[in-house]
Amino acid sequence: ELKVEQNPLFLSMQEGKNYTIYCNYSTTSDRLYWYRQDPGKSLESLFVLLSNGAVKQEGRLMASLDTKARLSTLHITAAVHDLSATYFCAVDLSFGNEKLTFGTGTRLTIIP
Amino acid sequence: DAGVIQSPRHEVTEMGQEVTLRCKPISGHNSLFWYRQTMMRGLELLIYFNNNVPIDDSGMPEDRFSAKMPNASFSTLKIQPSEPRDSAVYFCASSFHSSSYNEQFFGPGTRLTVL
Repeated sequence: ELKVEQNPLFLSMQEGKNYTIYCNYSTTSDRLYWYRQDPGKSLESLFVLLSNGAVKQEGRLMASLDTKARLSTLHITAAVHDLSATYFCAVDLSFGNEKLTFGTGTRLTIIP
Repeated sequence: DAGVIQSPRHEVTEMGQEVTLRCKPISGHNSLFWYRQTMMRGLELLIYFNNNVPIDDSGMPEDRFSAKMPNASFSTLKIQPSEPRDSAVYFCASSFHSSSYNEQFFGPGTRLTVL
């Protein structure tokens, strides 16, 4: 059974600081997704990572995938308050299975 | 383009009543997913369909829950009878399943409160 673990579960950081959220998964996969959820809102797709070494960047967020380590990271650079949200990673087992297995989420709070 | 559409957005009902949640996936998508999200249990996959056929319903909590997808543009999730522990946000998501990737797009959700 595929397990997806994120850490930390909760992260409170000051504006302007850098930090990284980690997503580990238990089974070989080269397809990983990052989502953002604002309080009371739905999940919004942020990044799609489809190969080992894939790196995607959008503004102050950068996601990467290391399939050999079964690890993805979401790096936040010079955090701003607008980035406060819960971030989920999800893994795709591929090969005919449409399901995504989601991590538990990381609740990020940016303090002014 | 319209995203995934869900209705109602909010539902308040009394224990024992039937609840029907509705979803319209993104046009052209061939997979549809129903999720439930609570503080205690996080995000749970209840059931998903591919080309209107239920593929995996192992996440459906019990027989009180049922889901249908009569055509490519409509799905329902029904709870009968409803119980207070069913209170949650129910999300519908859709994707175009391909050999390349399965990015899912989520609807706004239905917040269900069972009194």
